[in-house]
Amino acid sequence: NAGVTQTPKFQVLKTGQSMTLQCAQDMNHEYMSWYRQDPGMGLRLIHYSVGAGITDQGEVPNGYNVSRSTTEDFPLRLLSAAPSQTSVYFCASSYSYEGDSPLHFGNGTRLTVT
Amino acid sequence: KQEVTQIPAALSVPEGENLVLNCSFTDSAIYNLQWFRQDPGKGLTSLLLIQSSQREQTSGRLNASLDKSSGRSTLYIAASQPGDSATYLCAGESGAGSYQLTFGKGTKLSVIP
Repeated sequence: NAGVTQTPKFQVLKTGQSMTLQCAQDMNHEYMSWYRQDPGMGLRLIHYSVGAGITDQGEVPNGYNVSRSTTEDFPLRLLSAAPSQTSVYFCASSYSYEGDSPLHFGNGTRLTVT
Repeated sequence: KQEVTQIPAALSVPEGENLVLNCSFTDSAIYNLQWFRQDPGKGLTSLLLIQSSQREQTSGRLNASLDKSSGRSTLYIAASQPGDSATYLCAGESGAGSYQLTFGKGTKLSVIP
């Protein structure tokens, strides 16, 4: 059982480049989300989705786009990378979006923007 | 805006001790609460989920409780082991159906053999 799979594990970008962080889950979860984790700031929600075709903004959405064309996949796109986007990015999913089931996390993507 | 404080930020205990980690929310209207464990370089693993109708949950040596009147939660770890060394984070959902969890910054626990 793979759970939540994130690729790549590490990425270095130059300022202005774009890229997509991939996230896939094989648990048929309705809810998927993206967080970033920064030292001293904790985890902050970027975007989330409560089902295929439905996405919404979290606390820090600027500079990021998402889409949810299938239940399994929830990619995060950086449109024009900035040094402030250097962070560790986590994808997470849950069976229900109503908060009554545990949140499962991937192992993260460590992104450095130079 | 909901803010979460975890005390202490770091804790070092000898193996076998019982310990308590604390979590408090500025807005006491917590709907659901989860405690997570994070090992270095890894993602978070959900340990315990306290749903809106519950006040505590237990799993093995772990017990979590939530006092909704004060917006405070505690995670109790019994008979600590070196394998318990990790960072522990709490996260709360403030509104039904919002599923926007607000995370604390964590308590880094070291259990010394």
